[in-house]
Amino acid sequence: EPEVTQTPSHQVTQMGQEVILRCVPISNHLYFYWYRQILGQKVEFLVSFYNNEISEKSEIFDDQFSVERPDGSNFTLKIRSTKLEDSAMYFCASSESRDTNYGYTFGSGTRLTVV
Amino acid sequence: AQKITQTQPGMFVQEKEAVTLDCTYDTSDQSYGLFWYKQPSSGEMIFLIYQGSYDEQNATEGRYSLNFQKARKSANLVISASQLGDSAMYFCAMREMEYGNKLVFGAGTILRVKS
Repeated sequence: EPEVTQTPSHQVTQMGQEVILRCVPISNHLYFYWYRQILGQKVEFLVSFYNNEISEKSEIFDDQFSVERPDGSNFTLKIRSTKLEDSAMYFCASSESRDTNYGYTFGSGTRLTVV
Repeated sequence: AQKITQTQPGMFVQEKEAVTLDCTYDTSDQSYGLFWYKQPSSGEMIFLIYQGSYDEQNATEGRYSLNFQKARKSANLVISASQLGDSAMYFCAMREMEYGNKLVFGAGTILRVKS
């Protein structure tokens, strides 16, 4: 079954450093998303991406964050100048269409720890 | 106001019994979709079941069924014949068609299946 692949599975970074989280969505999917889950808390929407541009973003997704689709397969989330409170699980997801009835396929997540 | 409310932080169920996980939602949108996801201790998000606001029948997927009561704005997940592998966190989520295609998640319910 097709899956969304995220790398790395774990990342530890020093406060103030930049990190890039990588995702390979399902190949025929057109919509891509990033979500965040702070430990023990709910999953929060960060950003959606379609047709090579951001289609929607939350208030969490400020200038510290950026997304990119550098080639035909990868979808990345860059976090600049990381803070302790950026420590969380970051999920990439993709969907075939906007109105899918089958949910969004999530990757296994990248656990980011900022020290 | 919370868009998605899951009032049960934790639930226990005996193996082979059925269990209902509660979810209520708040929206003024006429067109929306409701999703349930399972998150085992390994962290990945697994799509379980979907219910569209215009669907007249309750959704079912194997041992999972969704008790959709539109007037009460509730979308409870019913798991029949619980198995030890069902122990996990369960999230209810909603997509409102008028507000893009992001998912809004509830706080989750931890389910523990006892042998």
